[in-house]
Amino acid sequence: EAEVAQSPRYKITEKSQAVAFWCDPISGHATLYWYRQILGQGPELLVQFQDESVVDDSQLPKDRFSAERLKGVDSTLKIQPAELGDSAMYLCASSFRVQSSYNEQFFGPGTRLTVL
Amino acid sequence: KNQVEQSPQSLIILEGKNCTLQCNYTVSPFSNLRWYKQDTGRGPVSLTIMTFSENTKSNGRYTATLDADTKQSSLHITASQLSDSASYICVVSESGRRALTFGSGTRLQVQP
Repeated sequence: EAEVAQSPRYKITEKSQAVAFWCDPISGHATLYWYRQILGQGPELLVQFQDESVVDDSQLPKDRFSAERLKGVDSTLKIQPAELGDSAMYLCASSFRVQSSYNEQFFGPGTRLTVL
Repeated sequence: KNQVEQSPQSLIILEGKNCTLQCNYTVSPFSNLRWYKQDTGRGPVSLTIMTFSENTKSNGRYTATLDADTKQSSLHITASQLSDSASYICVVSESGRRALTFGSGTRLQVQP
């Protein structure tokens, strides 16, 4: 069964360091999402791609976060410099095309980031 | 601001018992509502999705209901199993917008 792949699964870093997360969506899925989930809360959208283009990054802290999907397939989310408040689960999801009534998002296993 | 409120925050039940989780939302105009199951340290997995015209949808021992007039949904779990221990997240989609509004989830613990 096709799955969304993410790596690494766990990352521990010190504040002010740079970190990067990678996501490989389900093959054929044009839409890719990055979410941040703080413990005990629901996921919050950081950025959404349609193919290689960003369609929503309104909640992305652009002073330190960046995301790219150069070839419209896999994607990288970077944080530089990391802050203590960035400790969270970073989830990647993909869907077949732009959201419609039944367009389901499939989530990866997430990357658990701890900033010391 | 669109909101999704879930209750209870956490719940402990004995194996074999039934339980019902609640979701209230203010998202408008409404497109669809989804329930996800999230095991600890894993990504959410979809259980059900309902549009405006659907009142109930089942997936095995999981049954979701939707009252679009009162903007309420529930997820009923029948004959709970230890593997049902997880967070259950209610997610609402606004018509015409790409973004989803997530609830904070209900943490369910099923004890033997």
